[in-house]
Amino acid sequence: EAGVTQFPSHSVIEKGQTVTLRCDPISGHDNLYWYRRVMGKEIKFLLHFVKESKQDESGMPNNRFLAERTGGTYSTLKVQPAELEDSGVYFCASSVFRPPGEQYFGPGTRLTVT
Amino acid sequence: AQKVTQAQTEISVVEKEDVTLDCVYETRDTTYYLFWYKQPPSGELVFLIRRNSFDEQNEISGRYSWNFQKSTSSFNFTITASQVVDSAVYFCALSEAGDDKIIFGKGTRLHILP
Repeated sequence: EAGVTQFPSHSVIEKGQTVTLRCDPISGHDNLYWYRRVMGKEIKFLLHFVKESKQDESGMPNNRFLAERTGGTYSTLKVQPAELEDSGVYFCASSVFRPPGEQYFGPGTRLTVT
Repeated sequence: AQKVTQAQTEISVVEKEDVTLDCVYETRDTTYYLFWYKQPPSGELVFLIRRNSFDEQNEISGRYSWNFQKSTSSFNFTITASQVVDSAVYFCALSEAGDDKIIFGKGTRLHILP
């Protein structure tokens, strides 16, 4: 069974540019989560989808971040325009059941904004 | 408020030594879940264990063991007879019942020296 995949693995962009991160969850997992780890800090929750619906987006830092999950399959996280403080590792996770069900994490996308 | 504290930022031990990673949590809920995740150099977060707040029984899985003590709000992780492959960053995490998010600690980087 394929795990959670994320693309790209690493992205370097300039401040003010736009970047779109993609997450493909494990097939059949209705729950999809985005987390972010800024250098030296905790991994922090961004949002949670159940199928195509946003269940909880309380962790989204501001309106420069837009997450979508059309069709309830893969998800994208767009940052527009990117700022220096957006640099970090963005993790995606998926699960069959809602928390506290086991969440399977992807390898993350390392975003560097210069 | 929810919080997970991993006071040890980095630990180095020689192979075959035992090592304990500390985790202290804060929550006002009586129903909650505790987790440990491993992040090897490849980057993904690997689920190790989930414990609910009503089950204080310690758990052993091979060389891994977990000590959950509600009286001290701690959920410590011990690796017995450590191996080089155990080198990774280990995250302790908390989820409250009915909440979608997992709250992570900052992680402990473990180096097992040959």
